[in-house]
Amino acid sequence: QKEVEQNSGPLSVPEGAIASLNCTYSDRGSQSFFWYRQYSGKSPELIMFIYSNGDKEDGRFTAQLNKASQYVSLLIRDSQPSDSATYLCAVTYDYKLSFGAGTTVTVRA
Amino acid sequence: SAVISQKPSRDICQRGTSLTIQCQVDSQVTMMFWYRQQPGQSLTLIATANQGSEATYESGFVIDKFPISRPNLTFSTLTVSNMSPEDSSIYLCSVDQTSGEQYFGPGTRLTVT
Repeated sequence: QKEVEQNSGPLSVPEGAIASLNCTYSDRGSQSFFWYRQYSGKSPELIMFIYSNGDKEDGRFTAQLNKASQYVSLLIRDSQPSDSATYLCAVTYDYKLSFGAGTTVTVRA
Repeated sequence: SAVISQKPSRDICQRGTSLTIQCQVDSQVTMMFWYRQQPGQSLTLIATANQGSEATYESGFVIDKFPISRPNLTFSTLTVSNMSPEDSSIYLCSVDQTSGEQYFGPGTRLTVT
C-alpha cells in the first residue's frame, strides 16, 4: 500500500478554535483524497472528500488539496467537544484506500 | 450512502479455530473491501472482493488464512482461519459507491485467547 503520513498528535484545541490536520502522501498517481472521523470504539465515518486542487468547504470542515506538494489538509472551524475523535487521512490509488496513522483531536470545553 | 451491517459485532474465540464474518449491504455494489484495524493502529486493507471473481489480496495477506466469498452484489464473508492471539483486531468491510467514496460497516471486534 502507498504511504500516507499524518501530523503526529494528539492535538488539543479549545472549544471554538480551529483544528488543523495535515497529511502527505507518497504516490503522485493518487487520485482521490478522503478524511474519516473515528470515534473510540466505532468504525470510520467519511466526513470529507476532495479530488481537485484547491479548497472544498462543507459546513465547519474545509479540505485543502495540493497535488504538486502531495499534501492534503483538513480544517475544523469553531471546534466543538463533539469533534473530539481520531481523524484518518486516506488516499486512493487504483480504487484502493491507504490510510494514515490518524491524528487524535481533543476539543477542550 | 449504503447501509452496511456486519455479523457478529464481536466474538471471543479460541486459538486454532476459525471465524466467519458476514457483511451485508442494502444495495448492490460492485466492490467490497475487507480491512483490519489492530489495537491502537490505523486500517490495513486485507483484500478486495468482487462478485464473480477471486478476491485480490494485499501483500502480507493470503487466501488460506483469510478466505473471502462474494456470492452476490450485496453480501460478502471473510473467514479468519486457524486463529492466533495476533489476529485479535477489528475487522471492517467497506463498499465503494459509484462516486469513489468508501463507506464502512460497524466492524467486528475479534479477541483470540
